[in-house]
Amino acid sequence: GAGVSQTPSNKVTEKGKYVELRCDPISGHTALYWYRQSLGQGPEFLIYFQGTGAADDSGLPNDRFFAVRPEGSVSTLKIQRTERGDSAVYLCASSLASGGGDTQYFGPGTRLTVL
Amino acid sequence: GEDVEQSLFLSVREGDSSVINCTYTDSSSTYLYWYKQEPGAGLQLLTYIFSNMDMKQDQRLTVLLNKKDKHLSLRIADTQTGDSAIYFCAESMNDYKLSFGAGTTVTVRA
Repeated sequence: GAGVSQTPSNKVTEKGKYVELRCDPISGHTALYWYRQSLGQGPEFLIYFQGTGAADDSGLPNDRFFAVRPEGSVSTLKIQRTERGDSAVYLCASSLASGGGDTQYFGPGTRLTVL
Repeated sequence: GEDVEQSLFLSVREGDSSVINCTYTDSSSTYLYWYKQEPGAGLQLLTYIFSNMDMKQDQRLTVLLNKKDKHLSLRIADTQTGDSAIYFCAESMNDYKLSFGAGTTVTVRA
């Protein structure tokens, strides 16, 4: 079956612009996660959805970052007034449910470059 | 910064065993994971271990957990060129949030 997909695979934008990153989780997975991976680092947690609601958004760095999952499937990560420091690979993952041992399956990521 | 620490690089000869070490901080983590990342690809789960286990073996992979020292290791037997990648150790926080180390780059030389 299809894995987690993310679009676009690459996004180049200018400082100050608005961007949207999309994640299509594995069908039937109720839990969805966003992580950010900077160069040479491991992924860092941003936000976790259980169904349509954000159960934990403690990893969002500031109020320029926002994510939605209106129908409990596709999710969009939105970044306003982008800054050069936002440049990173944004990874999405999904799992059947949340809870220990539920494997998080990762997508290939969106590489965001802010010029 | 990460609460999970790993050595950054490992070079190993083809056919030898690789051992990647990791230390973590949250003693309440119920699961600990090893992920593999190849260039241009997403993270692939290799294996995981429940915190009440000391060891888990899965084909060429052996995971050892020392809960007292909060130390986790991954041993890859008979390392092949296809094992060249970045390996991430991760602990689960609150049963859903993964906290990753910075990754160990494994280079397999002929």
